[in-house]
Amino acid sequence: GAGVSQSPRYKVAKRGQDVALRCDPISGHVSLFWYQQALGQGPEFLTYFQNEAQLDKSGLPSDRFFAERPEGSVSTLKIQRTQQEDSAVYLCASSFGTDNSPLHFGNGTRLTVT
Amino acid sequence: QKEVEQDPGPLSVPEGAIVSLNCTYSNSAFQYFMWYRQYSRKGPELLMYTYSSGNKEDGRFTAQVDKSSKYISLFIRDSQPSDSATYLCAMSAERTYKYIFGTGTRLKVLA
Repeated sequence: GAGVSQSPRYKVAKRGQDVALRCDPISGHVSLFWYQQALGQGPEFLTYFQNEAQLDKSGLPSDRFFAERPEGSVSTLKIQRTQQEDSAVYLCASSFGTDNSPLHFGNGTRLTVT
Repeated sequence: QKEVEQDPGPLSVPEGAIVSLNCTYSNSAFQYFMWYRQYSRKGPELLMYTYSSGNKEDGRFTAQVDKSSKYISLFIRDSQPSDSATYLCAMSAERTYKYIFGTGTRLKVLA
């Protein structure tokens, strides 16, 4: 049974470029989360999907950040016109249920904006 | 003040020691508590998942929740160099998908 898969593992972008980060959750997991983790910090919530519905995007830092999960499985986090402050590790997690189900994380995408 | 507080460490212990990792929190509505282990350049890995107060044991790991003090602990017995990692606590209230994470404690177990 595969875990949560994220690609690419590392991404270097020049300031102003658009990037797309992919997450393939555990098969059958209803819930999907994106988190941002800065160096030496815990994960910070970005957005939450239940199947294909984006129920909460309150953690997205700006309107340059956009996430989708069109068929209720794979999800993409897109960042437009990247800025240096966007440099972080972006973690995807999935869970079987909705409320209070434990999260299973991927290994993240480390984004560096130069 | 953050909702969840965790000492960032680093905490260095000799191999074989008992390690105690802790988090405090301010939201009395938190009912679900998790501990994750995160190795360098990897994602967090779920270690323990507990509900409400009490103890839970799994191998060398024991999770303890004291809701009256708003304090949770993770104990690691017979610590090994392979336990060297960052340990994150996370918690949530009833009927919510939102988890709040601590900043993580870096642990080094010296051979």
